[in-house]
Parts: sequence; C-alpha cells; structure tokens
Amino acid sequence: DTGVSQNPRHKITKRGQNVTFRCDPISEHNRLYWYRQTLGQGPEFLTYFQNEAQLEKSRLLSDRFSAERPKGSFSTLEIQRTEQGDSAMYLCASSPKTSGANTDTQYFGPGTRLTVL
Amino acid sequence: AQKITQTQPGMFVQEKEAVTLDCTYDTSDPSYGLFWYKQPSSGEMIFLIYQGSYDQQNATEGRYSLNFQKARKSANLVISASQLGDSAMYFCAIAPTFGNEKLTFGTGTRLTIIP
Repeated sequence: DTGVSQNPRHKITKRGQNVTFRCDPISEHNRLYWYRQTLGQGPEFLTYFQNEAQLEKSRLLSDRFSAERPKGSFSTLEIQRTEQGDSAMYLCASSPKTSGANTDTQYFGPGTRLTVL
Repeated sequence: AQKITQTQPGMFVQEKEAVTLDCTYDTSDPSYGLFWYKQPSSGEMIFLIYQGSYDQQNATEGRYSLNFQKARKSANLVISASQLGDSAMYFCAIAPTFGNEKLTFGTGTRLTIIP
C-alpha cells in the first residue's frame, strides 16, 4: 500500500519565480488537503479537494497561489511570483472520506520544503 | 472555530520511562476528532492515534495511549517505555467530524529521549 508522495522534496528558487509542487495521494482517497508549515509552528490549512472539486480555500491562500486536482487523483500547488515569506514546508495529506460517525484520519506525505532567496 | 494549546515547548525524558504530552483544545463543533502526529527531523507527519469525541474509552495504539478528559477539554498523549526513536516533534490536532474536516494543529512539543 503506497503512501502519499510529494515532489520535489526540496525546491530553492529566486524571488519572483513561479514554482509548482505535486502531490499523489493514497489510491482511492477522495479527499486531498494542502497545509503550510513555517519554522516552529504547526501546519496550517490552505485548501482541500473532494475528488476534483476544490471545496474550500484559506485566507492564507493569496491570489498568487493556485491548486488543482484535475482528475481527482494527483494535485498540484502553484505559487506565482514567489516571495521570501513563502519559504515553508508544504504538506499534502489525503483521507478516505467516509459517511461514518468518526472523523477521517489524514495521512501526510513527506512534504516539499521551499526556500525563496 | 477550533484551537489547540500545547504548553510544553520541549521535554527531556530518560529512555524506558513513560512520558505524557499535554494538549488542551477548544471547539464549537458538537462532534470532533482529536489526533496526535509525530514529526521527525525528516519532516513527514506520522499519524499516531485518534480519539473521537463520542468514544467512551480512551484510544490505545501499541505504546501510545490518549488520555481523553472531555469535561476538561484535554487529550494528553502517553508514551510508555520510551525509546530513542521517539525523539521528535509531537503535534496535537483537532478536526470537526462533518464538513471540511480540516485539521487545526497546536505548536507542538519537542521530545528528546536521553539514553
């Protein structure tokens, strides 16, 4: 059973450049989440998808950020015109949305560490 | 709105001893789940244990147990017989059972196991 994978694992870019990250969730997980984690903090929610539909975006997700999940499988997160404040770990998680009474567990990928110079 | 408070920035524990990591929460959701994740220096968030708000019994997973006290809004993680490999950051998180189920995390506790 393959876990959540993310690519690249590390990305160094210059301010003003565009970057794109990819997340491949666990097979058949229909929910996919993106979080951002800065140094010394816990992850913060950015956005999530149920299948191919993007259902919610955080206020943290400025207009420079866009996320897609075109076929309800993998997802991409693009940051345009990167700023130094975008430097962080970007984490992807997936969960098997069920109709039960329990909150579904999210399983995380290894993250993409972005450094903007 | 949901909030997690972890008041222990760092803890040092002797190997083979038990350790309790504190977590208190606040939520307006009637049904919710509480989670603990471990984050080693590699950065990946590893799921450890889950407790549903309506679960009558405290959750256990191997050496991990969750001391859930609903009236006090606390969900402490207990690690028995600590091992060197337990050294990591530990995050408590909460999510509503319905709707977006997004996780809200605390600031974490850095646990160091001393040989």
